Amino acid sequence: NAGVTQTPKFQVLKTGQSMTLQCAQDMNHNSMYWYRQDPGMGLRLIYYSASEGTTDKGEVPNGYNVSRLNKREFSLRLESAAPSQTSVYFCASSEAPGQGYEQYFGPGTRLTVT
Amino acid sequence: KNQVEQSPQSLIILEGKNCTLQCNYTVSPFSNLRWYKQDTGRGPVSLTIMTFSENTKSNGRYTATLDADTKQSSLHITASQLSDSASYICVVSPPNNNNDMRFGAGTRLTVKP
Repeated sequence: NAGVTQTPKFQVLKTGQSMTLQCAQDMNHNSMYWYRQDPGMGLRLIYYSASEGTTDKGEVPNGYNVSRLNKREFSLRLESAAPSQTSVYFCASSEAPGQGYEQYFGPGTRLTVT
Repeated sequence: KNQVEQSPQSLIILEGKNCTLQCNYTVSPFSNLRWYKQDTGRGPVSLTIMTFSENTKSNGRYTATLDADTKQSSLHITASQLSDSASYICVVSPPNNNNDMRFGAGTRLTVKP
């Protein structure tokens, strides 16, 4: 039981390049989330998927797209990377949407855009 | 302006000592308040969760308190261990949005031998 896994762990991109961050969970959770964490700031929600087949914008969605591929997998795509997207990205999952349900986080992907 | 402010930003203590971390929030009303522990290079892991009607919650050597009148929460760590070195994050959830969690920037705790 691996919980929430993310790939890659580290990535360096040049401005304008694209990439997809992968996330998978094996807890049979319905809801999945993507956050970014920047120095001196709290985690901020980029996109979430309350259930398979649905996605919604969070606080900072600009420059990102997501795909809920199936119940297990939720990917985050940067179409044209910018230096402002240098950050640590965390994927999380929960049994259902709502504050009463615990979110379980993956180990993160550290992205640098030069 | 961040609605969840944590203090201090960083703290160094000796192994075996106690410490208290502070969280002040302006989110009101709120559904619940969580404390997470985040080890370096890892994702956050939940320590405690309190609803607005609770004023204390313990998890081993970790005890969280909540004063809804002053909009303050604290996390007390007893008999610190080297493995307690981590960032501790306070998170407050408003009641009217299922996925709106307001994260503090965290307190970086270092426990030295």
